[in-house]
Amino acid sequence: DGGITQSPKYLFRKEGQNVTLSCEQNLNHDAMYWYRQDPGQGLRLIYYSQIVNDFQKGDIAEGYSVSREKKESFPLTVTSAQKNPTAFYLCASRRKANYGYTFGSGTRLTVV
Amino acid sequence: AQTVTQSQPEMSVQEAETVTLSCTYDTSESDYYLFWYKQPPSRQMILVIRQEAYKQQNATENRFSVNFQKAAKSFSLKISDSQLGDAAMYFCALETSGSRLTFGEGTQLTVNP
Repeated sequence: DGGITQSPKYLFRKEGQNVTLSCEQNLNHDAMYWYRQDPGQGLRLIYYSQIVNDFQKGDIAEGYSVSREKKESFPLTVTSAQKNPTAFYLCASRRKANYGYTFGSGTRLTVV
Repeated sequence: AQTVTQSQPEMSVQEAETVTLSCTYDTSESDYYLFWYKQPPSRQMILVIRQEAYKQQNATENRFSVNFQKAAKSFSLKISDSQLGDAAMYFCALETSGSRLTFGEGTQLTVNP
C-alpha cells in the first residue's frame, strides 16, 4: 500500500546533539512538508519542498535543516540550535495542489 | 498572510447526537480550498472533508457536512449521529493558490456514551 513512513516513532535526544527524522513516501508525490505540533496547538510549518533539490523555509525554520535529494525522501534534522525541540513532528506529502495532504504517523522527539 | 481560527478548544457531544465545530478564516485570495482534518489518539492526521471556495454547494461525506459561508469567512463542520470513534482533535485548514496548508489551533471533541 502507498503511504508515508516516518521513523523512528519515538526519539530521545541529549541537549547539544543533532538528530535526523526520516520521512519516506511511495506515493509519487512531488511536494513534501514538515510540521511541528506542540500540546494544545495546531500544526506549524517548518520546511517544505515542492520539487527535488529545492526547499523553502516555513514559519519556524530556525534550528532545523532539510534535504531533498530524492523524490521519495525528505529528512528533517533538528540541530542543537533549536532551543525547544521537544514536540511531535509530522511529515506530509501532496499529490496535487488543493487536494489536501497525506500525513505520516509522526515522530515524538524528547530532549533528555 | 492567511489565518485560521477555531474558537472552541473543547467540545462534547452525546453518542448519536449532532455537533457543530466552528472555524473562521481570513485570506485576501479569491481562489482557495478549505479542509477539516481529524487527529485521533493515534495522532494520525486524517482528511475528513474538503470544500472548494468557488463552489456554493456545501460538501458532505457521509455523516460529515460543512456549512460554508464565504462572505462571513466561516467554515463549520457538522457531525451527525456522533459515534465513539469520532472522538478526536479536529483541525480546520486553508490552502490558497496551491501553497501550503495553514491550520487552526484545533478543537478536541469528546463523545459521551
